[in-house]
Formats: sequence, C-alpha cells, structure tokens
Amino acid sequence: GAGVSQSPSNKVTEKGKDVELRCDPISGHTALYWYRQSLGQGLEFLIYFQGNSAPDKSGLPSDRFSAERTGGSVSTLTIQRTQQEDSAVYLCASSPSPNEKLFFGSGTQLSVL
Amino acid sequence: AQSVTQLDSQVPVFEEAPVELRCNYSSSVSVYLFWYVQYPNQGLQLLLKYLSGSTLVKGINGFEAEFNKSQTSFHLRKPSVHISDTAEYFCAVSAGSSNTGKLIFGQGTTLQVKP
Repeated sequence: GAGVSQSPSNKVTEKGKDVELRCDPISGHTALYWYRQSLGQGLEFLIYFQGNSAPDKSGLPSDRFSAERTGGSVSTLTIQRTQQEDSAVYLCASSPSPNEKLFFGSGTQLSVL
Repeated sequence: AQSVTQLDSQVPVFEEAPVELRCNYSSSVSVYLFWYVQYPNQGLQLLLKYLSGSTLVKGINGFEAEFNKSQTSFHLRKPSVHISDTAEYFCAVSAGSSNTGKLIFGQGTTLQVKP
C-alpha cells in the first residue's frame, strides 16, 4: 500500500474489555514498531519486530499488553482487561530495515471509559 | 540510559520569522538524533537525522539542526517559517546503536505560526 495503515482509527471500549489494534505496514518493510502517545507520557516505545527474530518487548508496560506479527507483515497489538490509563493514541511504524527511517501510520485513538 | 528534553512545550511565532526549537539529550554512549514532525491529523514523519559526520544536518522543508556534543544539544532551526509549518515537533534519540528505529522521544514542542 501507499503507507502504513492502522485500524480502527478510533476505538471506544469499556474498562475491563479486551481490544485488538491492527497495523498493516508498507509492503517489503521488515521492521515494525508500536509506539504509544499519551498526554502524560508523550511518545513511548512499546515493541519491535524484525523479520523472524524474537520481538523486542522491552517497552510493554504490563503483561496485559501483547503483540504478534503474522507472516512478517500485519501486526496486531492486544490489550487485555483495559484500564483507563490505557487511553492513548497507538502508533505503528515500519521501516525497510532497523537502521532506516520510520514511516508512521496515523494511529488508533483508544478511549477506555 | 538515554533521555530527551524539549525545553519549550509551545513556541508561537509570526510568519516569515526565524524559529529555534530546543532539544537536549543525555546519553552515556554515542547517539543518533532525530527530529520528527506531526502535522494536524497526519502521522509522524522524519524531518532530519544525525548519525555521524557533519554536525550541521539539513532536512526537509528548509529545516536544519546542529549537533553539539559539548552542550548535548540538537536544536532545530528554520530561518523563515510558513503557516504550513504549524505542527508538533518531536526530538528523539536512538535507544540502541544497532537499531535506530527504537527511539526515546521528547515531550514535543507545538509550533504555532501566526499570520
């Protein structure tokens, strides 16, 4: 596709529900990143995938957060038992390799009521 | 551990005036530095980056930044801004030398260009 695609663009959920956020990276990009942008914390790194290597999960804030990348392409970020502090914009980015610039999607605005 | 501080949360400026957005970093290892811009209702995009070499880095849309190791700064400048430069600007440092996509971001500076 033309760019990194994220869906949904907006998600409203109730506290305690699970949510899945989807990222479709640019075709051929081997590196994929999830970031979170919130008012109190700014932009935070969450997780990184590179090819078939084990993901770098060092930024995930709790074990309620997980992500997978199927077939080296589409990625899904899952948040279980959502809390109000999970409300944020979740950004996905991809790059041709780990040392090239990131291309960001427009994000998913998650609101936990 | 690395960290990034953007000293101004908002910078109002009139059109055609010069602007400087300040960024300081701390790191115990060699750094790679970046400025990203987020226009209203758009995704983040790279303005410029410093990896090595010349300390003056030129980016898109007439922006430039200077890496100053002694002052641990990477300030962003433009000699004459346009209304279309109104956006949020993020300074970032790479968290790992082998992966410049894993970034630590500053809190952001909102540039408001007034006519």
